[in-house]
Amino acid sequence: AQSVTQLGSHVSVSEGALVLLRCNYSSSVPPYLFWYVQYPNQGLQLLLKYTTGATLVKGINGFEAEFKKSETSFHLTKPSAHMSDAAEYFCAVRGSYIPTFGRGTSLIVHP
Amino acid sequence: DTEVTQTPKHLVMGMTNKKSLKCEQHMGHRAMYWYKQKAKKPPELMFVYSYEKLSINESVPSRFSPECPNSSLLNLHLHALQPEDSALYLCASSQETGTGDEKLFFGSGTQLSVL
Repeated sequence: AQSVTQLGSHVSVSEGALVLLRCNYSSSVPPYLFWYVQYPNQGLQLLLKYTTGATLVKGINGFEAEFKKSETSFHLTKPSAHMSDAAEYFCAVRGSYIPTFGRGTSLIVHP
Repeated sequence: DTEVTQTPKHLVMGMTNKKSLKCEQHMGHRAMYWYKQKAKKPPELMFVYSYEKLSINESVPSRFSPECPNSSLLNLHLHALQPEDSALYLCASSQETGTGDEKLFFGSGTQLSVL
């Protein structure tokens, strides 16, 4: 079975600071990994995904994630946080039919 | 058009009411999904339709009844709900299902309150 663990239910950063959201996966098959973002009162939006190939994946809004097989990790980063990045972030891994979501990490950005 | 449109945005219903949630997409996607999301929790899959046929029912109570009239529309019929069914109901679509790397497109959801 496939699963993801997101470390930290809340991450708080100052505007302009580095954003790091952690995700570790467990998968019995080569993983497909995703990061989704959910802004308040919205549905989820795909930020980026890793299937095969280059392990550093660039997504929308300046986010990127690196697949590290040796560490079973797929952490999400952004060099400089904006106030508009405040949202809930979900890591997900390929399941039997569709992605299986982690519990989510709430990103708080302080002025 | 890369939108999934859900109506209504908010719904308040009593436990004896019958109501329906609607979802529409015009991206030519052949897979459509219903999710339930409680506050500060990940979405939980309820149903998956593939080529207008129900392919997954995640043991959802019968008071929730999905319907896919055509490839662009997805409904969720609600009857005799319980207060614990109050949640955000999200519709999503993807080009296909079963490949594992599908990009899901989500609507903004219907915030349901059951009194």
